Amino acid sequence: SAVISQKPSRDICQRGTSLTIQCQVDSQVTMMFWYRQQPGQSLTLIATANQGSEATYESGFVIDKFPISRPNLTFSTLTVSNMSPEDSSIYLCSVEDGQHYGYTFGSGTRLTVV
Amino acid sequence: RKEVEQDPGPFNVPEGATVAFNCTYSNSASQSFFWYRQDCRKEPKLLMSVYSSGNEDGRFTAQLNRASQYISLLIRDSKLSDSATYLCVVLGGATNKLIFGTGTLLAVQP
Repeated sequence: SAVISQKPSRDICQRGTSLTIQCQVDSQVTMMFWYRQQPGQSLTLIATANQGSEATYESGFVIDKFPISRPNLTFSTLTVSNMSPEDSSIYLCSVEDGQHYGYTFGSGTRLTVV
Repeated sequence: RKEVEQDPGPFNVPEGATVAFNCTYSNSASQSFFWYRQDCRKEPKLLMSVYSSGNEDGRFTAQLNRASQYISLLIRDSKLSDSATYLCVVLGGATNKLIFGTGTLLAVQP
């Protein structure tokens, strides 16, 4: 399965600032996915990042708040902009390992906004 | 109604017990089904894919019933190391996106 390097693993940020999270994959993938997992809850898809086009955002998520870059087939970034305490969460990237092989996740970024 | 619903849990079982988790999904056009395991403060990791014919991997058995839109996971001879949250995940229909259940917490006691 794909191997994903995600960083930072955790951060504590002041409200009003922005944090950029990076994911590097060891193979070329068409789509990369960004998820949020709020405390005690399951994963919610934020957006799908395709190389060479704008990311597709899910309902409730907007590009101004969560800008995404996808400069090539092995890398993507998610920025959490103008952070507030409500953005405190775990953010994870993911790629598909084949329809029947599931999806592999990065190790997650644990964000705390104070 | 949630798109993917799981047993609320938590399940507290003794070592060696057999435990079963259930999951239902609402979109009949869903294509693929998975069970993921998530340890505390870790990312989800694929436990097994679920096929209509049912599949087994060691102590773990997964079943899919498309007619009832129902997925199950059976764990036999539970180990302490099985303690985790088990996520039912469905790759949904037209959207082709993963939909996660809220997870079922399993705690295996010595």
